[in-house]
Amino acid sequence: DAGVTQSPTHLIKTRGQHVTLRCSPISGHKSVSWYQQVLGQGPQFIFQYYEKEERGRGNFPDRFSARQFPNYSSELNVNALLLGDSALYLCASSLGLQGALSYGYTFGSGTRLTVV
Amino acid sequence: GENVEQHPSTLSVQEGDSAVIKCTYSDSASNYFPWYKQELGKRPQLIIDIRSNVGEKKDQRIAVTLNKTAKHFSLHITETQPEDSAVYFCAAWLTFGQGTILTVHP
Repeated sequence: DAGVTQSPTHLIKTRGQHVTLRCSPISGHKSVSWYQQVLGQGPQFIFQYYEKEERGRGNFPDRFSARQFPNYSSELNVNALLLGDSALYLCASSLGLQGALSYGYTFGSGTRLTVV
Repeated sequence: GENVEQHPSTLSVQEGDSAVIKCTYSDSASNYFPWYKQELGKRPQLIIDIRSNVGEKKDQRIAVTLNKTAKHFSLHITETQPEDSAVYFCAAWLTFGQGTILTVHP
């Protein structure tokens, strides 16, 4: 079984440009969450999607958006890139949401975004 | 929203010693608490997790305890080995702590 796959692995963009990052969850997983990890810090939660609906949003500006497709894959979009957006963007998938039956989540290898 | 505090930020131990990392959280509704190990340049890897209906869980040299009343949970690593050296993160569902850099000296 394939794990969580993310593309591209590395990306260099110029300030002001737009970027789209992609994530395919583990087969059978219906929830995808996105994180930004700046060097030396913990992953910061950006979005969670479950069954194609946004179920959580972290403290990020409106330049960040995401969506989940019928096959449960997901895209993270960032507009008007700033130098400070340079980071490792991680995607994680899980069977479901936190609740009476909490499920663990598995990370992909991430996309390293550099904004110049 | 949820807030997770993790301590210490760095921890240095001798091989064979025990290591303890502590986290506190703010949202009493949180009920899933994973711990991740991240080596340089790699993805976070789940090493152990605990759910709110359990007070303690152990897996070989690794154990986690949870005190829901006090809203804190801890990671315990016994008989540490140099290959345990990495950054460790706690989380309350989707909110991560700041990380602990663990160094195990041979």
